[in-house]
Amino acid sequence: DVKVTQSSRYLVKRTGEKVFLECVQDMDHENMFWYRQDPGLGLRLIYFSYDVKMKEKGDIPEGYSVSREKKERFSLILESASTNQTSMYLCASSRLTGQPQHFGDGTRLSIL
Amino acid sequence: SQKIEQNSEALNIQEGKTATLTCNYTNYSPAYLQWYRQDPGRGPVFLLLIRENEKEKRKERLKVTFDTTLKQSLFHITASQPADSATYLCAARAEYGNKLVFGAGTILRVKS
Repeated sequence: DVKVTQSSRYLVKRTGEKVFLECVQDMDHENMFWYRQDPGLGLRLIYFSYDVKMKEKGDIPEGYSVSREKKERFSLILESASTNQTSMYLCASSRLTGQPQHFGDGTRLSIL
Repeated sequence: SQKIEQNSEALNIQEGKTATLTCNYTNYSPAYLQWYRQDPGRGPVFLLLIRENEKEKRKERLKVTFDTTLKQSLFHITASQPADSATYLCAARAEYGNKLVFGAGTILRVKS
């Protein structure tokens, strides 16, 4: 079974801090994704990557950046955290484009 | 712009009945749709994928349909059980780019 592991289940940070969310998958998948999930809005794509060192902006990339130095690891960076970035963050991976995505259990991030 | 809409109201049904959830898409025709299940505090789990040239797909008690005329997918759970209670997410391939667009999800509650 594919396992997608997110480094923290809960995280509390202060406004202005630089925040790192880490995600690791163990099935050699090409594609990795970062979403945020807010009540009533569903999952919204922040960034995705289809290969090492490659990245593409999703629908809401402002205030975020990503890093994919190794195939199995995809990091989401909040450059200067703000309260409107309080949310549930979900990482996912898929073997190829168009195939089902496998999700981690999320990081609930609170920015105070 | 592309939009995926699911019933925002929770669906409450009695154990043993068939649950039917609706997913409507507007402004484009996706090449495929995917359905996911999400339990509280967990990431979504993939259930079924249906392509635009497929009318229907089945997996055990699950059935999904894709009506390109009505621009709608229906997700059915037959002989529903309390363990089927969860949020169900519909996702469609985006009009541009290799990514998914998610609906906000419908909460299903199955009462014994």
